Amino acid sequence: DAGVTQSPTHLIKTRGQQVTLRCSPKSGHDTVSWYQQALGQGPQFIFQYYEEEERQRGNFPDRFSGHQFPNYSSELNVNALLLGDSALYLCASSLHVGSTEAFFGQGTRLTVV
Amino acid sequence: KQEVTQIPAALSVPEGENLVLNCSFTDSAIYNLQWFRQDPGKGLTSLLLIQSSQREQTSGRLNASLDKSSGRSTLYIAASQPGDSATYLCAAGAAGNKLTFGGGTRVLVKP
Repeated sequence: DAGVTQSPTHLIKTRGQQVTLRCSPKSGHDTVSWYQQALGQGPQFIFQYYEEEERQRGNFPDRFSGHQFPNYSSELNVNALLLGDSALYLCASSLHVGSTEAFFGQGTRLTVV
Repeated sequence: KQEVTQIPAALSVPEGENLVLNCSFTDSAIYNLQWFRQDPGKGLTSLLLIQSSQREQTSGRLNASLDKSSGRSTLYIAASQPGDSATYLCAAGAAGNKLTFGGGTRVLVKP
């Protein structure tokens, strides 16, 4: 079992550009959540996807959008990048039904210059 | 709105000492409480998951307790080792496994 995998591991973008991050969930998991972790802080919930639909959303602007594919993998898109979007972006997978353990990937380090 | 706090923000102990990490949350209507470990620049490794109906969970040298009525969870690490040096994060789980994290406690175990 490869666990949760994210790509790329590191990314440098220029302010105003757009970025796409990718996540493959743990085998058997159908729910993917995305988190943003600024340096020295705990992760903040961005949104969650289940059955290819956004089910829950945190306090993030519409510049942050996502998608889930039929194989449960997911993408996080950020438009019009700001310097403040620089962070570690973490993907977590879990089973939708019930209260279950969340498993995280290694993250994508995004730097906006 | 759920808020999770971890105090202290940093902790330094000599090798062999027991570690006690604290986590408090404001909304007791949680589904679960999960503890994670994070090494610098890396992702999160799940350590323990306590369901809302449980009082504690144990795994090896790790033991976590949960008191919903007081809004507290404690992670105990027995006989600490230098390899335990990392940041430890707690997260309160809501419906649909949405997690609200604390700011973490950075632990240094000195040989």
